[in-house]
Amino acid sequence: DAGVIQSPRHEVTEMGQEVTLRCKPISGHDYLFWYRQTMMRGLELLIYFNNNVPIDDSGMPEDRFSAKMPNASFSTLKIQPSEPRDSAVYFCASRTGTGVPEAFFGQGTRLTVV
Amino acid sequence: SQQGEEDPQALSIQEGENATMNCSYKTSINNLQWYRQNSGRGLVHLILIRSNEREKHSGRLRVTLDTSKKSSSLLITASRAADTASYFCATVSPNGMRFGAGTRLTVKP
Repeated sequence: DAGVIQSPRHEVTEMGQEVTLRCKPISGHDYLFWYRQTMMRGLELLIYFNNNVPIDDSGMPEDRFSAKMPNASFSTLKIQPSEPRDSAVYFCASRTGTGVPEAFFGQGTRLTVV
Repeated sequence: SQQGEEDPQALSIQEGENATMNCSYKTSINNLQWYRQNSGRGLVHLILIRSNEREKHSGRLRVTLDTSKKSSSLLITASRAADTASYFCATVSPNGMRFGAGTRLTVKP
């Protein structure tokens, strides 16, 4: 397996534009997590899914953020409209629901909103 | 951080020395994990300790867990320059996997 795949790796957009981040988890993993990392706030859990169902979205900052997982192999995190304070590195991670629950991270998407 | 604090925030040591990082958390946990992050990369899992365990070893890593104090420590023995990275603890509970603020470790050759 190629691991968790995120796209794009880098995104620069203007304030007010819609941004969509994509994640392909490791095949067979039951859990998918979206995190945001900044110097000021560290690694924040935004939302996580179990078997494609959102379990806890209490970390989603506001209504401008939304996440979907239409099937077991794909998830999106959308920001609409984007603002400069959304600039961060966004990570997706997945793990199995059985065995050792270590999470595997993607390489992240570095988002810059200007 | 969302779950707790790690200390120190930054640690600089010489190659060959041991490095100890601490993590405190706030809620009940199923297990606690330590991850490493190299600059600009995703996190990589290092070691897991379950809530009913007190100590665990893996190579040069030693992790302890004190659930009564809600704290954990990561010891890296005989450090190498390649150990330079940020280290994070993560607590796993029904409300997800949440990370501490991290410790930035620099190992000088």
